[in-house]
Amino acid sequence: GQNIDQPTEMTATEGAIVQINCTYQTSGFNGLFWYQQHAGEAPTFLSYNVLDGLEEKGRFSSFLSRSKGYSYLLLKELQMKDSASYLCAVRDRGNTGKLIFGQGTTLQVKP
Amino acid sequence: DGGITQSPKYLFRKEGQNVTLSCEQNLNHDAMYWYRQDPGQGLRLIYYSQIVNDFQKGDIAEGYSVSREKKESFPLTVTSAQKNPTAFYLCASSIGQFSEKLFFGSGTQLSVL
Repeated sequence: GQNIDQPTEMTATEGAIVQINCTYQTSGFNGLFWYQQHAGEAPTFLSYNVLDGLEEKGRFSSFLSRSKGYSYLLLKELQMKDSASYLCAVRDRGNTGKLIFGQGTTLQVKP
Repeated sequence: DGGITQSPKYLFRKEGQNVTLSCEQNLNHDAMYWYRQDPGQGLRLIYYSQIVNDFQKGDIAEGYSVSREKKESFPLTVTSAQKNPTAFYLCASSIGQFSEKLFFGSGTQLSVL
């Protein structure tokens, strides 16, 4: 079956670092995505990993280990505006290209 | 500016009524998608279209219908057969089905009266 697991909620302090984990078990794998979604708004693209390793983009980094079925999103120098849900999604192998989403992790940043 | 537009932002449905959610994009994207988002659950794929005049069922297509008569437009109809329609509906598009990222609209919150 297809399964993507993320923690439901996390809390962190402004200026700190937080790591949001995502584990997946899917019938195929053709890339992993992270999206940010503020309440009631559209998800926005953060990162895409298809090979093992770390991708850094400003304050945000994403890591992938395909052998372990594991990814994390690392947020540095947290700001209040980073309070949002973070969605992990895996692209299924095959001819559909469709994404399978996890339930999302709601991050609350406190002063 | 290019983007993807959903309307209305909020929609109410009466029992037995069909309602249609609009999704328009001016990004010249070939692929378009409809997702449903419920609290505590991940986005679930309802329908997707890879090209004009063609679409496929996603994981939860029952009670929904779509059309893709124009590249820019991918409306979703929530029929009376959908017994639990209350949810946040998101439309998305991508350059192609294997593109690196999806562009999402701002969503429509559908509620039942």
